[in-house]
Amino acid sequence: NAGVTQTPKFRILKIGQSMTLQCTQDMNHNYMYWYRQDPGMGLKLIYYSVGAGITDKGEVPNGYNVSRSTTEDFPLRLELAAPSQTSVYFCASSSYSAQETQYFGPGTRLLVL
Amino acid sequence: GNSVTQMEGPVTLSEEAFLTINCTYTATGYPSLFWYVQYPGEGLQLLLKATKADDKGSNKGFEATYRKETTSFHLEKGSVQVSDSAVYFCALLNFNKFYFGSGTKLNVKP
Repeated sequence: NAGVTQTPKFRILKIGQSMTLQCTQDMNHNYMYWYRQDPGMGLKLIYYSVGAGITDKGEVPNGYNVSRSTTEDFPLRLELAAPSQTSVYFCASSSYSAQETQYFGPGTRLLVL
Repeated sequence: GNSVTQMEGPVTLSEEAFLTINCTYTATGYPSLFWYVQYPGEGLQLLLKATKADDKGSNKGFEATYRKETTSFHLEKGSVQVSDSAVYFCALLNFNKFYFGSGTKLNVKP
């Protein structure tokens, strides 16, 4: 039981490049979330999903896209990277019956130069 | 709208001291409230929760009471240990969305 896994752990992008941050959970959780954490700040919700095929925007969705084709996977897409997207990205999941108990991945550190 | 405000850190205490980290919130409806803890280099872990007014969440010696009248959810521990050194986040859940405070770093010295 691996929990929530994220890849890559660290990435450097040039301005304007695109990339996909991968997130997979093996707990059959309905809810999945993407957050960003800027230095010294709390987490900001980017997008979330309540189940396969259903996604919705969080507080800071601009510049990102998501999809949820399976229960296990919830990739986050950056189309045109900007320096303002330099951050640590966390994926999390929770079950329908215990939504408040989020399980977090280890994070992806992204640097846009 | 929904938001969480918590006291700025860092908070530095000696081992066995009493800890309070203040948290207040703004929300529509009836949110659930949480404290999460983040150890260096790791993701967040749920520490405790309260789902309705006057509920007290507790775990590992930490406690917090959901106070609707003061819109607060302060975290307390009677005697901190060095191993409690971490960043603590107050959060609320409302209509499927989580909102986090900016975090308070706690340093406990032996």
